[in-house]
Amino acid sequence: AQRVTQPEKLLSVFKGAPVELKCNYSYSGSPELFWYVQYSRQRLQLLLRHISRESIKGFTADLNKGETSFHLKKPFAQEEDSAMYYCALRRYGGSQGNLIFGKGTKLSVKP
Amino acid sequence: EPEVTQTPSHQVTQMGQEVILRCVPISNHLYFYWYRQILGQKVEFLVSFYNNEISEKSEIFDDQFSVERPDGSNFTLKIRSTKLEDSAMYFCAVGTNTGELFFGEGSRLTVL
Repeated sequence: AQRVTQPEKLLSVFKGAPVELKCNYSYSGSPELFWYVQYSRQRLQLLLRHISRESIKGFTADLNKGETSFHLKKPFAQEEDSAMYYCALRRYGGSQGNLIFGKGTKLSVKP
Repeated sequence: EPEVTQTPSHQVTQMGQEVILRCVPISNHLYFYWYRQILGQKVEFLVSFYNNEISEKSEIFDDQFSVERPDGSNFTLKIRSTKLEDSAMYFCAVGTNTGELFFGEGSRLTVL
């Protein structure tokens, strides 16, 4: 069964500290992985996707098929990074919008 | 960036009542989706809608649920007879050719 696991419910760091939000997935095929972010009182929005291999707002994520992971990283956290972060997987061959989400990790960046 | 507006932002209803949640307005999109998030749990896929018909649905999307796009712009989710466990945030999303989803702000449904 396809599954996305985000082991940390809450991650609290100080401003300027490195951040790593963990995401592991269970899927036998070729997944497409995403990170979505939800800032306070705002809508869910795409942060990045593994096929783009880009850095958004200083965040990067690398798909590691061997470890079935797609951890989100940022070398120096900022207070404005505080938000809920959701890792999501799209099945190959599934409808475009059939995403499987993890439970989310709340990132709190303290001054 | 596509704008996805949902109404109502919050609805309180009695168990057994019908509820209609709306995405308004949406233009020039072909792919529409509904998700829900029960408090404290993950965002779950309900249904995808393409070319005026359901293209995929999850096991959650049973006979109590239906979707339609009655006037070519509004995209609605109807729950025929609400149950307590239907209490959740319901998110509408639209898809683009790049595969990105744009979500609405959600409609909170409380079933008493």
